[in-house]
Amino acid sequence: DAKTTQPPSMDCAEGRAANLPCNHSTISGNEYVYWYRQIHSQGPQYIIHGLKNNETNEMASLIITEDRKSSTLILPHATLRDTAVYYCIALADYGGATNKLIFGTGTLLAVQP
Amino acid sequence: GAVVSQHPSWVICKSGTSVKIECRSLDFQATTMFWYRQFPKQSLMLMATSNEGSKATYEQGVEKDKFLINHASLTLSTLTVTSAHPEDSSFYICSAPPWRTGSTDTQYFGPGTRLTVL
Repeated sequence: DAKTTQPPSMDCAEGRAANLPCNHSTISGNEYVYWYRQIHSQGPQYIIHGLKNNETNEMASLIITEDRKSSTLILPHATLRDTAVYYCIALADYGGATNKLIFGTGTLLAVQP
Repeated sequence: GAVVSQHPSWVICKSGTSVKIECRSLDFQATTMFWYRQFPKQSLMLMATSNEGSKATYEQGVEKDKFLINHASLTLSTLTVTSAHPEDSSFYICSAPPWRTGSTDTQYFGPGTRLTVL
């Protein structure tokens, strides 16, 4: 699975959009981009995933560049409860039961009041 | 959404004792579950893949005789930390992808178990 690179930390003002970048320049054609987050002392939570099209759900939007070498997770209106470590993971499509998630260091997003 | 539970949520034990942690998928079946360990201020590290009805597969550097995994049913996997020592103190998290064909099924994570070995 492709390696991903994320900034170690970011700040965002409450109510503003939080844009979290992820670089995955070696991603292959069958690898999806997954985003998870981990609030302190809790298990990770799935946010969103995509292959090449932009995706949106009730939590966030995922923008993937046309060359698929990078992506941005957008939290449209960040709240204090969004303070967490956000992980970007590139994962090949081998079928759910064999998809091991390998976590990198992630981005600690601190939402400021 | 799907729910994965872990029990206990925290445990304190004496050095040399064994501790069992349970991971249950509450509303779906999982032929595979994953176990992670997380030390303070570090990322999650995958320890092993638990397979229902067969032996677990361990990641490189993880002692299989120390971290015993049993996947007894389609909804339960257990991790036993044998002869625990203070360096085994950590946050243990399990995850499970729902068992169905197809791809990109997301994984559901348990809330984690905080183990402290005195």
